[in-house]
Amino acid sequence: KAGVTQTPRYLIKTRGQQVTLSCSPISGHRSVSWYQQTPGQGLQFLFEYFSETQRNKGNFPGRFSGRQFSNSRSEMNVSTLELGDSALYLCASSRQKTSDTEAFFGQGTRLTVV
Amino acid sequence: GQQLNQSPQSMFIQEGEDVSMNCTSSSIFNTWLWYKQDPGEGPVLLIALYKAGELTSNGRLTAQFGITRKDSFLNISASIPSDVGIYFCAGQSLSSGSARQLTFGSGTQLTVLP
Repeated sequence: KAGVTQTPRYLIKTRGQQVTLSCSPISGHRSVSWYQQTPGQGLQFLFEYFSETQRNKGNFPGRFSGRQFSNSRSEMNVSTLELGDSALYLCASSRQKTSDTEAFFGQGTRLTVV
Repeated sequence: GQQLNQSPQSMFIQEGEDVSMNCTSSSIFNTWLWYKQDPGEGPVLLIALYKAGELTSNGRLTAQFGITRKDSFLNISASIPSDVGIYFCAGQSLSSGSARQLTFGSGTQLTVLP
């Protein structure tokens, strides 16, 4: 069974540009969450999608957005990139079971903003 | 917002020794998860805990969900070189309902000396 797949693995962008990251969850998983990881702030929750709807959102500016498609694949977009957006962006997928909150992570996309 | 205090921040141990790390929270969690992250990779789920007082093992790893729901610990017995990495605790609170939102500790960097 394939794990969570994130593309691309590495990305270099210039300040002011926008970027789109992709995440394919584990087959059968309907929940996709996004996290930002930086040395200073650690792992911070961005948002969660389930059945194409955003269910929960972390404390990030509106430049960070996402969406989920009918096949559960998800994308996140960051507009007007800032140097501080350089981070490892992680996607996690979960099955939708009331007592099951295990989240499985992909390898991440390393974004560098120059 | 919710915060998890994870300690110790780093550990240097001899191969074969046992390791213990813990997380405490100011809020109640209904789920505790422990992850290990290698450089450049995403976190890998080690153990999931769902009930207060629950003690769960996975090979040489043992984790417990604190009875107050505000803490958890992870023990690693007979450490080996491949145990090197950063260990994170993560909790999901009751307030997030069915939405998946994990709050992460700051991590414990484990170094195993030969």
